[in-house]
Amino acid sequence: DAKTTQPPSMDCAEGRAANLPCNHSTISGNEYVYWYRQIHSQGPQYIIHGLKNNETNEMASLIITEDRKSSTLILPHATLRDTAVYYCIVRVAGVGTSGSRLTFGEGTQLTVNP
Amino acid sequence: EPEVTQTPSHQVTQMGQEVILRCVPISNHLYFYWYRQILGQKVEFLVSFYNNEISEKSEIFDDQFSVERPDGSNFTLKIRSTKLEDSAMYFCASSAAETQYFGPGTRLLVL
Repeated sequence: DAKTTQPPSMDCAEGRAANLPCNHSTISGNEYVYWYRQIHSQGPQYIIHGLKNNETNEMASLIITEDRKSSTLILPHATLRDTAVYYCIVRVAGVGTSGSRLTFGEGTQLTVNP
Repeated sequence: EPEVTQTPSHQVTQMGQEVILRCVPISNHLYFYWYRQILGQKVEFLVSFYNNEISEKSEIFDDQFSVERPDGSNFTLKIRSTKLEDSAMYFCASSAAETQYFGPGTRLLVL
């Protein structure tokens, strides 16, 4: 799986959009970008994933650049409860890959301030 | 919304003792996983399990560890003879396909 690079920490004001970047310059064509977050030693929580198109769900939006070498997770209206470590994980997906590991890096500590 | 559950939430044990950590995966999921996180460190993959056998394991998952699906709902991780360095949060996860959903974890403290 391709390596990812994320800033170690970011701050955001409550109510504002939080934009978390991730670089994955060695991503392959069959690798997806997954985002998870971990709130203070709780279990990692799935947020969103995508291959090449932008994705949106009730939690967040994922913007993937056209060359797929980087992506941004957007929390449109951050709240204090969004304070967490956010992990960007690149992973092969498709037939025969279910059951394979997730490799977590250090992630980005997002702190939402009142 | 269905979720992965784990018991106990906390476990304290003496070095050398056996522990069993329990997980109830999401009911229609077929793939099961264990991860661990030592305090202050990254989340690390231990093992994945499908169709009643291990499908992948990491170098951490040595002979001291074993996994089992004893019935249709539970998935367990056994550590045969615990060491001090086994102290960590242990997370169970399950998936129907690629997207894994994690439980809240069991905090294991080995004294």
